[in-house]
Amino acid sequence: DAKTTQPNSMESNEEEPVHLPCNHSTISGTDYIHWYRQLPSQGPEYVIHGLTSNVNNRMASLAIAEDRKSSTLILHRATLRDAAVYYCILGYYGNKLVFGAGTILRVKS
Amino acid sequence: NAGVTQTPKFQVLKTGQSMTLQCAQDMNHEYMSWYRQDPGMGLRLIHYSVGAGITDQGEVPNGYNVSRSTTEDFPLRLLSAAPSQTSVYFCASKGNNEQFFGPGTRLTVL
Repeated sequence: DAKTTQPNSMESNEEEPVHLPCNHSTISGTDYIHWYRQLPSQGPEYVIHGLTSNVNNRMASLAIAEDRKSSTLILHRATLRDAAVYYCILGYYGNKLVFGAGTILRVKS
Repeated sequence: NAGVTQTPKFQVLKTGQSMTLQCAQDMNHEYMSWYRQDPGMGLRLIHYSVGAGITDQGEVPNGYNVSRSTTEDFPLRLLSAAPSQTSVYFCASKGNNEQFFGPGTRLTVL
């Protein structure tokens, strides 16, 4: 399975945008890029996914580099409820997700 | 729509005991899976199923059995519990490209 590299932790101020980076230099042509987040004491929650083009949904945006070797999850206005561990995961159609350690996002009020 | 439900929420076992963690989903999803999460770590895949009657091993299957007799239910059995199986267990089902996770079962093996 192709691996991803994420920063261990990031900090953001409330109401400001947050850019969470992910490197995946060994991504294959069929790998989708998935983002999940896990709030404290809860199961992971789907955030967004994409293949080649940038994607937007009600929760976030996903910007994918042209060579697909990196991507960035964008939270447009961070709130305290966005404090969580964010996982960047590669996979085919979302099957057999392989979770790394993720990025701990702290949001300051 | 209850989504993915798991029972029990908490369980304490003694070494050598067996038990079944229950998982059910009401979204008619074919794909279901079990993960475990140890403290400070990401989730690891134990077993998964692509439909009723079909199961396969994930990354860490030893010590666990699964079966899938219906679309809705995907129980996880611990045959002889060991302290190394102390963990939080999450069940998930997948629709399109999105996995839905249950609230988890926190298991302690003494």
